[in-house]
Amino acid sequence: AQTVTQSQPEMSVQEAETVTLSCTYDTSESNYYLFWYKQPPSRQMILVIRQEAYKQQNATENRFSVNFQKAAKSFSLKISDSQLGDTAMYFCAFMKHERTSYDKVIFGPGTSLSVIP
Amino acid sequence: DAGVTQSPTHLIKTRGQQVTLRCSPKSGHDTVSWYQQALGQGPQFIFQYYEEEERQRGNFPDRFSGHQFPNYSSELNVNALLLGDSALYLCASYGGTGGEQYFGPGTRLTVT
Repeated sequence: AQTVTQSQPEMSVQEAETVTLSCTYDTSESNYYLFWYKQPPSRQMILVIRQEAYKQQNATENRFSVNFQKAAKSFSLKISDSQLGDTAMYFCAFMKHERTSYDKVIFGPGTSLSVIP
Repeated sequence: DAGVTQSPTHLIKTRGQQVTLRCSPKSGHDTVSWYQQALGQGPQFIFQYYEEEERQRGNFPDRFSGHQFPNYSSELNVNALLLGDSALYLCASYGGTGGEQYFGPGTRLTVT
């Protein structure tokens, strides 16, 4: 069975600074997706960034980038130039890649990020 | 293009009652998953529906059941409600080839 671990329950960062959220996972699968989701106080789950395991290159989306270390089963999220709107719960998530269907998504316990003005 | 929608937004029920939550997937999506998110925790997978059949199920009791309709919309039913069923229930739909699932805004269920 797959598991996702986030060892930082809470973090804070000054506005405009950079912060890194950690995530490790355990799986015997070779082909899978990894995600970071953001959940603000509105509770709407928003996809921040996605990484396909077979791709060596780390994914980036504007101020968000990941450090994907497949051998170490590590998937950290870096947020640059932090903004007040980045304050939210962040979930790391795993999904096995299926050729013709979609598998369930397994979420970590989350990291609560606060951006301080 | 409407995203994933869920109804109702909030619901208060009493222990022992039954509840039905509804989800309409994003246009063009044919697969729907349901998740339970307790306060302060990550979402937990309940089950997934595709072509009107339950394709996968998480570690939830039979009190949790579902249905998918020909238009791909879905319902989650919970019988004999317990206090521990109080949570945010999220629906997600899938489409395309990128593995991305789109979440609805959730239904907040409170059991008293």
